[in-house]
Amino acid sequence: GAGVSQSPSNKVTEKGKDVELRCDPISGHTALYWYRQSLGQGLEFLIYFQGNSAPDKSGLPSDRFSAERTGGSVSTLTIQRTQQEDSAVYLCASSSKTENTGELFFGEGSRLTVL
Amino acid sequence: AQRVTQPEKLLSVFKGAPVELKCNYSYSGSPELFWYVQYSRQRLQLLLRHISRESIKGFTADLNKGETSFHLKKPFAQEEDSAMYYCALSGGSYIPTFGRGTSLIVHP
Repeated sequence: GAGVSQSPSNKVTEKGKDVELRCDPISGHTALYWYRQSLGQGLEFLIYFQGNSAPDKSGLPSDRFSAERTGGSVSTLTIQRTQQEDSAVYLCASSSKTENTGELFFGEGSRLTVL
Repeated sequence: AQRVTQPEKLLSVFKGAPVELKCNYSYSGSPELFWYVQYSRQRLQLLLRHISRESIKGFTADLNKGETSFHLKKPFAQEEDSAMYYCALSGGSYIPTFGRGTSLIVHP
């Protein structure tokens, strides 16, 4: 595809429900990142995938959050038992550099609202 | 640990005025610094990086290791510069650290 694709663009859910957010990175990009964007909080790192290596999960805020990346391409971020404080825009980004980071290409984000 | 500080949440200027968006970082090694921009209803995108030493859309940023700063500057702001600006640091970690962002509003 032309860029990083995320779905859904908007998701409204009730507190306690599980949600899945999908990211399709740029073809050939080995690095994939999930960030959370909240008003006044900037971009908060969640998780990082690099090729077939074990992901860096150090940014996940709680064990309700998990992510996987299948076949080194598409990634899914899952939030279980959603809480109101989970409301935010979830951004996915991919990059082609394997060592130090280069330019990150972002998707348009998935806006999550937990009622 | 690496940290990025953008002290201003909001910067409001008039068209034609100079603009400086501040960014300070904390990192003990040799940093790689970036500015990303998000225009209304658009995705976050790279504006410039310090190793390129280039000017994009009239913006420049100089890395000052003594002051650990990477301020973004433009001599004459335009209305289309109104956007959210994020400073980012890539140090020894492969995970860029972003600042909280500065919202720039350029009034006509």
